[in-house]
This record gives sequence, structure tokens and C-alpha cells, in this order.
Amino acid sequence: NAGVTQTPKFQVLKTGQSMTLQCAQDMNHEYMSWYRQDPGMGLRLIHYSVGAGITDQGEVPNGYNVSRSTTEDFPLRLLSAAPSQTSVYFCASSFTTGINEKLFFGSGTQLSVL
Amino acid sequence: AQSVTQPDIHITVSEGASLELRCNYSYGATPYLFWYVQSPGQGLQLLLKYFSGDTLVQGIKGFEAEFKRSQSSFNLRKPSVHWSDAAEYFCAVGDSNYQLIWGAGTKLIIKP
Repeated sequence: NAGVTQTPKFQVLKTGQSMTLQCAQDMNHEYMSWYRQDPGMGLRLIHYSVGAGITDQGEVPNGYNVSRSTTEDFPLRLLSAAPSQTSVYFCASSFTTGINEKLFFGSGTQLSVL
Repeated sequence: AQSVTQPDIHITVSEGASLELRCNYSYGATPYLFWYVQSPGQGLQLLLKYFSGDTLVQGIKGFEAEFKRSQSSFNLRKPSVHWSDAAEYFCAVGDSNYQLIWGAGTKLIIKP
């Protein structure tokens, strides 16, 4: 049982480049989300999805795009990378959208934008 | 607005000693409270959660947490730490939009 799989684990981009961070889960979870983690700060929600075809913005959505065409996949797109997007990115999922649901996390993608 | 404060950025504890990590929250209603742990190079894992009922909550790996409404706190405790407990610990509160508000984390260092 793979759980939540994120790729790549590490990525270096130049300012202005675009890329997609991949996230897949094999637990048939309705809810999927993307967080960024910066030193000295808690996780901040970028975007989330409550089911296939449904996405919404979180706390820090600017510069990022998402889509959810299938239940399993929730890719995060950086349209034009900026140094401020240097961070560790985590994908997380849960069975439903209830606040009492346990979140399952991927192992993260460390992104550096030069 | 809801917020979570973890006052200690780092805590160093000797192996075998007891541990308490502090978490204070700001939330108007009865909060949903969580503790997650992040081992080096890994994603976060749920340790325990509180929604209602008994204010002392037991979690995995021998951890427990106590909800104190009067102090707006949800401190994490363990009676005897092991070297494998070295990690970063995050407290979180569920907000009115069913999203989690996270503290900045406390890094636990274990002295041999």
C-alpha cells in the first residue's frame, strides 16, 4: 500500500521556469491538499480538492495552479517560478473532508528557485 | 482569527527523561486539536487528536495530550523519551472552514 506518493523529491528551477509537482494516492481519498512548509512557520495551505473536478484556494494560492481530473491525482503547477516559492511542498489526503479526519502526508518535495 | 502558538522552537531532553511540548491556541468555539510528528526527511504523521469528551487523549508511540480549556492549551507529553522520538512536532487546530491552522513546530533533540 503506497499511500501518498510525491514526485520529484528534489527540484531546482530557474526564475521564470514552470513545473508540475506530482501527487498520487491509492486510498480512494476524497480530500487532497497541497501545503508549503517554510522555516519558522507552520504548514500553509496552497490549494485543496474535495473530489474529482472540484478545487479551491487555500491561504497562499498565488503563483500556483491545481486540477483534479481523477480521484487519485492532484498535481500542483508552478506557472512561473519565483525565489519566494523556494520551500518544501507536501501533499496530503484524507478519506473525507471532515475536520476530524486524519491527514496522510507524502514525503515532500524540496524545491529551490534560483 | 484562529491561531496556534508553539512557544518553543527547540527543546533538548535526555533520553529516558520526561517530555512536555507546549501548544496554545486561539479559537472561539470548542476546538478540534491535533498533534503531528515529522521525522527527518518524512511527511507528517498524526500522533493524536481531540474533539470532545475526556480531556486527556492517548496517542501512538506512548504520547498523550491534555486539553485545558481555561488555559487554551493542548500540551503534548511523554513520560520517557527514546532517541527515535527526535523529530519536529506540530500542533494544529481545525478552523470554521474545516481546514487546519498549524503551529510553527517544535524541534525535539534527544541527548544520549
